[in-house]
Order: sequence, then structure tokens, then C-alpha cells
Amino acid sequence: NAGVTQTPKFRVLKTGQSMTLLCAQDMNHEYMYWYRQDPGMGLRLIHYSVGEGTTAKGEVPDGYNVSRLKKQNFLLGLESAAPSQTSVYFCASRGQGSDTQYFGPGTRLTVL
Amino acid sequence: AQSVTQLDSHVSVSEGTPVLLRCNYSSSYSPSLFWYVQHPNKGLQLLLKYTSAATLVKGINGFEAEFKKSETSFHLTKPSAHMSDAAEYFCVGPNAGGTSYGKLTFGQGTILTVHP
Repeated sequence: NAGVTQTPKFRVLKTGQSMTLLCAQDMNHEYMYWYRQDPGMGLRLIHYSVGEGTTAKGEVPDGYNVSRLKKQNFLLGLESAAPSQTSVYFCASRGQGSDTQYFGPGTRLTVL
Repeated sequence: AQSVTQLDSHVSVSEGTPVLLRCNYSSSYSPSLFWYVQHPNKGLQLLLKYTSAATLVKGINGFEAEFKKSETSFHLTKPSAHMSDAAEYFCVGPNAGGTSYGKLTFGQGTILTVHP
């Protein structure tokens, strides 16, 4: 049982490049979340999904897009990366009726 | 609106001494509250959670937290620190936007350093 996995673990981009971060969970969870972590700011919610085919904006959605085509996967896209998007990105999932989120190991992204 | 505030950005203790990491919350109702731990270059791991069943909550690795409504606090404690406890700890509560989608609000984090 892998839980929540994230791909890739590390990535370096140049300003203006695009990329997609993949989150996968094998717990059949309905809810999935993307956060970014910056020093001294805790984790901030970027986007979330309450089920397959649905997504919604979180606190800091600008510059990101997401898709949930399959229940087990939640993709985070950066269409035109900016240095301000240098961060560590965490994905999490939660089951229906539970209040506990399970986190992936994170993706460290650097935008030059 | 719901928010959580961690009162210390850094806490330093000696191995074998007690640990106290402070968290205050603001809410008009009794919330669900969590403590997560993040070891260096790792993801977040749930330490414990409060969901109104009991005010004293026991978690993993000898940690516990007490929910005090009168003080709006949810401090994390451990009687005796171990070197492996060195990590960053986050106090977490429901998002101000409501609990229906399980959105969370994270405190700023407390970095715990344990000295030999």
C-alpha cells in the first residue's frame, strides 16, 4: 500500500517553461489537495478536488491549473513558470467521512 | 473565522527534557485540530488529532496534546525529548471557509531542535 505518491521528487525549470506534477493515491479517497510550502508560512492550499472530474480553487490558485480525470490521480500544472513558484509542493488525500489528510512526500521545484 | 497560531517559530531542548510546542486557535466553535510533524526533506505525518471525544489526546512517539477551550489552546507536549524528535511541527485546523470540503489552515510551523 503506497499511500500518496508524487512525481517527480525534484525539478528545475527556467522561467516560462511548463510542467505537470502528478499525485497518485491508492486509498480510494474522494478528496485530493495540492499545497505549496514556503519558509515561515506553513502550507497553503492551491487547488482541491472533491471527486473525479471536479476541481476548485484554494487560497493561492493563480498561475496553476489542475485536473482530476481519474479518481486516483490529481495533476497540478504550471503553464508558464515564474521564480515566485519556487517552492515545495505537497499533495494530500482524504476519505469520505474522515477529517484526516494523508500527505505525499513532496516535490521540490526551483524556477530560475 | 478559524485560524491557528503557533507561538514559537523555534524551540530548542536538550535530549531527555520535556517538550512544549504551543498552539492557539480562534474559532466560534469547537474545531477539529491536528498536529503534523515533518522531518527534514520528508512529507507530513499525522501525530495526533482532536475531535471532541476527549480533551487529552495521545499521539504517536509519546506525544500528546490537551485541548483547552477556556484558553483556546492545543499545546503539544512530550515528557522526554529524543534526538529523533528534531523536526518541524505544524498545528492545523479547519479552514475559515468551512469544513465541508476538509480544507485546512496550517500554523506557521515550529522547528524543534534537540541537543545531545
